Amino acid sequence: DSGVTQTPKHLITATGQRVTLRCSPRSGDLSVYWYQQSLDQGLQFLIQYYNGEERAKGNILERFSAQQFPDLHSELNLSSLELGDSALYFCASSVGMEGYTFGSGTRLTVV
Amino acid sequence: TQLLEQSPQFLSIQEGENLTVYCNSSSVFSSLQWYRQEPGEGPVLLVTVVTGGEVKKLKRLTFQFGDARKDSSLHITAAQPGDTGLYLCAGASKTSYDKVIFGPGTSLSVIP
Repeated sequence: DSGVTQTPKHLITATGQRVTLRCSPRSGDLSVYWYQQSLDQGLQFLIQYYNGEERAKGNILERFSAQQFPDLHSELNLSSLELGDSALYFCASSVGMEGYTFGSGTRLTVV
Repeated sequence: TQLLEQSPQFLSIQEGENLTVYCNSSSVFSSLQWYRQEPGEGPVLLVTVVTGGEVKKLKRLTFQFGDARKDSSLHITAAQPGDTGLYLCAGASKTSYDKVIFGPGTSLSVIP
């Protein structure tokens, strides 16, 4: 157990639908990062939150949004889903430059 | 745009062999991290190197950060089946230390 908790582990949904992925960071970590991993794109940075505030944005689509709550858990909302959104979505947390601790991911399948 | 390249993309070796994987960029990084990822799981941090020329050893794994802080290598001695996985390097930006960019990975398969 890495200390970063992601739910659900698997999600199957239809095109056009909306889903919410949840992440609880490691105790004491204020930063939460969301990554998308697909076979052809590798691990792509989506967005970072630090202590409730958006800190950095990567290749996140306008159909996707995220937030971090006062208890530091974070949610990634994916809407108007397309087949190409099928991927593994990872959440990670960190303290400074020591590196990331990743959760076990949510596998999203859009059918 | 900062990019990290890794080579080789795929590597299949026999148990007991040695191997080296490489991570290269045209950009300078403040630190570089190596992760190993197993199928269906999140990447697990192996090491972080921060000083140009730094060498770190973790049992049979040796990590080196290039003098110019643009490249890194991972050497595995006497590979074991348990070393099988996707090895990812990740560079932290000099201007924004907490914005990390990942390379595409090297998929290693160690055959018993």
